[in-house]
Amino acid sequence: NAGVTQTPKFRILKIGQSMTLQCTQDMNHNYMYWYRQDPGMGLKLIYYSVGAGITDKGEVPNGYNVSRSTTEDFPLRLELAAPSQTSVYFCASSSTGDMMSQHFGDGTRLSIL
Amino acid sequence: GESVGLHLPTLSVQEGDNSIINCAYSNSASDYFIWYKQESGKGPQFIIDIRSNMDKRQGQRVTVLLNKTVKHLSLQIAATQPGDSAVYFCAEADTGANSKLTFGKGITLSVRP
Repeated sequence: NAGVTQTPKFRILKIGQSMTLQCTQDMNHNYMYWYRQDPGMGLKLIYYSVGAGITDKGEVPNGYNVSRSTTEDFPLRLELAAPSQTSVYFCASSSTGDMMSQHFGDGTRLSIL
Repeated sequence: GESVGLHLPTLSVQEGDNSIINCAYSNSASDYFIWYKQESGKGPQFIIDIRSNMDKRQGQRVTVLLNKTVKHLSLQIAATQPGDSAVYFCAEADTGANSKLTFGKGITLSVRP
């Protein structure tokens, strides 16, 4: 099993550009999450989903959008990239309601210049 | 607001020694805690968890201690090995509220050969 796969691993964007960070999992997990990790800071929850067709805002959702059309995929969209969105983004998934079993991808390092 | 934090940003230990990593939390309602290990370029990996009805829990070479009186959590690693070098961070959750994890900032453990 591949687990949680994130693409791309690295990306540099110009201010105002848009992009989609891809996340897919092959564990048939219902719950999926997007976090950002800034230097010297803890992970902050951006959005999460408890199942296909259902998404909810986390702690820092502004400037991002998500969709969950399938159980496997949970893409994160940046519409107008801003320097404040420079960060490392992690996607995670878990079986229903079990925080202990959150599996993380290896992250996407995003720089906005 | 509530926060989870770590006392020291870095910890250097001799290979073979025991390591102790500390974490303070401020949400008295938190009843579930997790320690994660994050290697360079990778996503966080679950190490061990503990619920608030316990004071101590042991895994393979790791022990987590919880002191609810002073809101303090620690991770002890026995016989530290070079492969233990990583960033470690704690996370907390109030499972009676929203069951979302709040992550600490992280501490770097460096193992000297």
